[in-house]
Amino acid sequence: GQSLEQPSEVTAVEGAIVQINCTYQTSGFYGLSWYQQHDGGAPTFLSYNALDGLEETGRFSSFLSRSDSYGYLLLQELQMKDSASYFCAVLTGGFKTIFGAGTRLFVKA
Amino acid sequence: GAGVSQTPSNKVTEKGKYVELRCDPISGHTALYWYRQSLGQGPEFLIYFQGTGAADDSGLPNDRFFAVRPEGSVSTLKIQRTERGDSAVYLCASSPGTSGRTDTQYFGPGTRLTVL
Repeated sequence: GQSLEQPSEVTAVEGAIVQINCTYQTSGFYGLSWYQQHDGGAPTFLSYNALDGLEETGRFSSFLSRSDSYGYLLLQELQMKDSASYFCAVLTGGFKTIFGAGTRLFVKA
Repeated sequence: GAGVSQTPSNKVTEKGKYVELRCDPISGHTALYWYRQSLGQGPEFLIYFQGTGAADDSGLPNDRFFAVRPEGSVSTLKIQRTERGDSAVYLCASSPGTSGRTDTQYFGPGTRLTVL
């Protein structure tokens, strides 16, 4: 089967750094994406990794290791508005994107 | 510019009824995706269109679900003989379609379907 594993919840304080891990097992792999979703809102794209290594976009960075079937999202200088659900998603063979169940991030003052 | 829009925002129906959910993608986007999302879960892939054709419909759960995109823009997801288990938020996403599988997907606000 196809599966993505990520922690269900993470809590951190404002200004801190948090890492959300994702391991995957899929048939076919083109890349790993990360999406943010606030309660009641639509998922919004954060980053995409097709090759091994780190991609940095402002306060957010994403890492991929294809050999380990593993990636993570790193959020720096946490702000209250970062409280949301974060989904890793694998672009598989064909045109299907498989999403993880999501990690709820709680940022405390 | 305008983002992806979906109508209706909420739909309440009775078990056994037929429903249609509409998606207006970003103008010029050739790729269109349908997902459904249950509470506390990630989006579940249903179908992918490239232009007018369904390039991958492997996520449709059964033959009660059908989607069309006749002119390569607006898409309609159709659910026949609705069941209570169909209750979920149905999300539509579009992407330019020019970079193949690496395109960012832009999601609409979703339609919350409730089957009583």
